[in-house]
Amino acid sequence: GDSVTQMEGPVTLSEEAFLTINCTYTATGYPSLFWYVQYPGEGLQLLLKATKADDKGSNKGFEATYRKETTSFHLEKGSVQVSDSAVYFCALTSMFSGGYNKLIFGAGTRLAVHP
Amino acid sequence: SQTIHQWPATLVQPVGSPLSLECTVEGTSNPNLYWYRQAAGRGLQLLFYSVGIGQISSEVPQNLSASRPQDRQFILSSKKLLLSDSGFYLCAWTPGLSPTDTQYFGPGTRLTVL
Repeated sequence: GDSVTQMEGPVTLSEEAFLTINCTYTATGYPSLFWYVQYPGEGLQLLLKATKADDKGSNKGFEATYRKETTSFHLEKGSVQVSDSAVYFCALTSMFSGGYNKLIFGAGTRLAVHP
Repeated sequence: SQTIHQWPATLVQPVGSPLSLECTVEGTSNPNLYWYRQAAGRGLQLLFYSVGIGQISSEVPQNLSASRPQDRQFILSSKKLLLSDSGFYLCAWTPGLSPTDTQYFGPGTRLTVL
């Protein structure tokens, strides 16, 4: 079945460092890809998304490009801030036989940014 | 604009007790609604989804159930809680059924079963 694999955390960086969180997926169809962020004690917020191959999603300085050839959707940010400390989830959706779409999540990567 | 609410924010319940978690969406009509569970240190798992009033589909067998008594209300229930039901429960909604639709999440309910 469809699945998402993320790099294990925690990832610990100093402020202004470059961030990469790897995400690869397995899907039989043509999924849409998402990055969600979860701040401590809160629900999930959409960070960015891409709906077809070679699309680049971007938001708040974060970017990810939908790479069909490598089945990847790596999250990057050029200069992280302490406020970026959170858990980041890579996810995909595709249609299922029941006629609905389901988000399939990776396990999440915890990012800790220190001053 | 649309907002999604979950109630309560936190809950501590003894094993064997009943459960009722509520999710409501404002500012939209006929949303598709979802219940997810996040176990400690793990990703999220879809439990139930609903495309309309009274229409519930279950993803995994468990001692939980869901109901949708009104268009914008989604309830997660259990008659007898298990220790393994502890976790963070998230409700989400989408405007349609397209895979490109973003799922918008509520603030969550943290359930601890003792």
